[in-house]
This record gives sequence, C-alpha cells and structure tokens, in this order.
Amino acid sequence: QQQVKQSPQSLIVQKGGISIINCAYENTAFDYFPWYQQFPGKGPALLIAIRPDVSEKKEGRFTISFNKSAKQFSLHIMDSQPGDSATYFCAASMGGGADGLTFGKGTHLIIQP
Amino acid sequence: EAGVAQSPRYKIIEKRQSVAFWCNPISGHATLYWYQQILGQGPKLLIQFQNNGVVDDSQLPKDRFSAERLKGVDSTLKIQPAKLEDSAVYLCASSLAGVGEQFFGPGTRLTVL
Repeated sequence: QQQVKQSPQSLIVQKGGISIINCAYENTAFDYFPWYQQFPGKGPALLIAIRPDVSEKKEGRFTISFNKSAKQFSLHIMDSQPGDSATYFCAASMGGGADGLTFGKGTHLIIQP
Repeated sequence: EAGVAQSPRYKIIEKRQSVAFWCNPISGHATLYWYQQILGQGPKLLIQFQNNGVVDDSQLPKDRFSAERLKGVDSTLKIQPAKLEDSAVYLCASSLAGVGEQFFGPGTRLTVL
C-alpha cells in the first residue's frame, strides 16, 4: 500500500520558471513532511520540511504548501535553475520513536536553459 | 562535520551468495536507518535503530536480511542468500533522536546476477 502519492513522475521547466510537485498522503498519524533532493549517485539530501501546524514554509526559492484537510502538500521551486535538475522526493513520518520516512516515488525534474 | 559513511560503494554478486554492507553514522547520532532504493522508486525503510536497539523492522525481510548495530555506533546490513530482486541501492541514514532531519550516506549499489 502506497501511503504517499507523488506527481508528476517527470517535469520539464524552463529556466526562471516555477516548478511544482505535489504529494498526497493517507495516514493521518503523519506529522513531519520533508522534501528531499537527490542527484545521480548521491544519497537524498533534505531540502525543506514542514509540520502540520503551519500551512506554508519558505526557505529561499523553495516553498512548501500544506493542506491538512485535503491531506496534500506541495513543493514550489521559484526561479528554477539548471542546477535544480534532480530527482525530488516527498516523504512523511510519524512522531514518537518510530520515525522512519515513507517516501513518494519521486519526480525527475529537468530545468531547460 | 563528516557525513554518513558507507562501504562498499558498489557490489556485484551471484544470486544465492551472501553480502554485507557497512555504515558509520554522523558522530553523536543515536538513530540509524537502513533504506532500500530500487531503481526509479523512492527509498523504502528496512530497519531503524535507536542506539543499539531495534525500533522498527516491520519491513525487513527477516528470512534473508539481518542487521545489527553493535555498541550503538556502526551498523551492518546482511543479505543471505541474495535474490535477483535485491538489486538496489542500500542507503544508510542517521539523525539526532527526535529531531526529524535524517542525513543520508551515498549508498551501496548492489547488483545481483
């Protein structure tokens, strides 16, 4: 059972444009929602994360929007740059001791110069 | 600050053989995770340790996979015997207990022939 659904699977955006990736979750016990960026041959690296007590979090060009009632959250990359070309994963975890991440299937993002 | 170290980076084995992976987490991180990332998918949690105790191993195929974390620092993940479907990247991650952010190592790419 896939608990975190991510879309689109791939995305092509022009340099300077806005990249938007969406995720939906099922388990209402999730209380931590990070986005990870992964380059080929590397491990995932945390980009930005949010907890359900806020609806939006912004760090530089990256923004998470969170809709608790719809059980959805999204990543917006403003002014997308070729260096942003990577695979992006949304994830979710529960509070307490067992906080292993449940990942979406990933979005392969290409920023065209 | 040194990151999560993993070895080997690559391993090729025949099916039914055994293989072991090693992980050294970031110094001071009490929580250690092993994930399996099949090509084109998001990482899947296999096991989570808190110090040297197991917190969650619900998705670990225990008939062939085993893991240990002696002295609450380094960890090894073993597969015995390997199957074709075990071909994947095995990622180790660590975190400060209860903080949320997980730091990933570069992974070990396993190919089972």
